[in-house]
Formats: sequence, structure tokens, C-alpha cells
Amino acid sequence: DSGVTQTPKHLITATGQRVTLRCSPRSGDLSVYWYQQSLDQGLQFLIQYYNGEERAKGNILERFSAQQFPDLHSELNLSSLELGDSALYFCASSVEGGWYVGYNEQFFGPGTRLTVL
Amino acid sequence: AQSVTQLDSQVPVFEEAPVELRCNYSSSVSVYLFWYVQYPNQGLQLLLKYLSGSTLVKGINGFEAEFNKSQTSFHLRKPSVHISDTAEYFCAVSVQGAQKLVFGQGTRLTINP
Repeated sequence: DSGVTQTPKHLITATGQRVTLRCSPRSGDLSVYWYQQSLDQGLQFLIQYYNGEERAKGNILERFSAQQFPDLHSELNLSSLELGDSALYFCASSVEGGWYVGYNEQFFGPGTRLTVL
Repeated sequence: AQSVTQLDSQVPVFEEAPVELRCNYSSSVSVYLFWYVQYPNQGLQLLLKYLSGSTLVKGINGFEAEFNKSQTSFHLRKPSVHISDTAEYFCAVSVQGAQKLVFGQGTRLTINP
């Protein structure tokens, strides 16, 4: 158990809908990362938040957005869903997350499997 | 930009045989290198990491990897595999100073009895 929790575990929805995925980082971790794992694209970095602020952006679609709340949990919002958005969405957390010459291990949650029908 | 290439999408081996999973990366700056394992229906778990220092890195579950700067490789090895090693293995890189991970496409390791 990494200490990172994600809800829900599974989500089935229809095209055009909007969903929210939730992530609670490990106690004490300030940084949250979102990754998407799909058969087509593999594992891709979407976005990173550090202590409530967006810190880095990857291949995140405009239809997707995220935020990190004062209690440090994060939500990933996916809207106008398409079939191709079906994937496993992982959240990871680390202690730090800024521009940092060092290393902070990222701990991954179990993922939310999204199926768009 | 950084990229990671895992040269084999699937590797079948017999139990107790040695295995090597290959990973090459490209980057114009210094990087950190990682191997993660994903067991069926689970999240990713860090196997080992290279940050600096000795190029031979030992990780959990008997795995080790060797960083080769001249060949830009970070191959994962285990001298004797077990059925429980059946999983997907991901090589990843992060640029020193940044935090995001760039992953390879993964290698599915299948252990046959």
C-alpha cells in the first residue's frame, strides 16, 4: 500500500459526459501528479500540482482540468468524454515537487479505470 | 525532450532462468532513471532507481540495473526469475530539476513453469 488513495476504482460513463476523479496523496506529500495509461499512448504524464499550484503540464487535453485543494487532495475533471478517453488514470504524490535539484520518489495510487461507452 | 524506448514489448522466460529487460533513453541533459513494476490490476511500484554514483543499482525482489552513459541504456536484470515476477515493467526517466516522469511503453514479462 503506497498511501495514495484514488476514488472511484472503476467508472463507466457515456460519451459526452463529465466525470471527476479524486486523489488523496500520502500524508505530508505536497505534490500530486496525474498520469494516463492507455493501450494507444502508454503511460503519459498529464499534470502536476504542488501545494495548490499548477507546476508542470504534459499531454493534457483542453477538455481535461485538475486542481489541488487546501487539504492537498486533487481532482481531475474530464469533460466531453470520447471513446478514446477510456484509460487507467493514476495519481502519484511526492514530498516536494518544485524545481529541485534532487530526487523525490513518486508513490502511485492504484488507479481509476475509466470506461467510456 | 526526453524519451524512453523499451526494446521488447513482451519477454517470455522459463522459471529460474535469467532475464534482461532492455531500456534506452535519450536526453540532452542529466537524468534520473527508474524501473517500475505493475502487477496485474495494481498501481506502479518502484523497483530501483539511478540518481548518481555507482552505475550498478540494486533494487527490490532481486532485480538490478546498470546505467551505461555512453550507450544511454539502463537495462534491468534478474539472475533467476520466479512465477511471481510476472508483471509489466516500465523504464522511466526524469530530468534533474524537474519532477515529471517520462515512461517507456512497457515490457510484459511472462514466466513459464
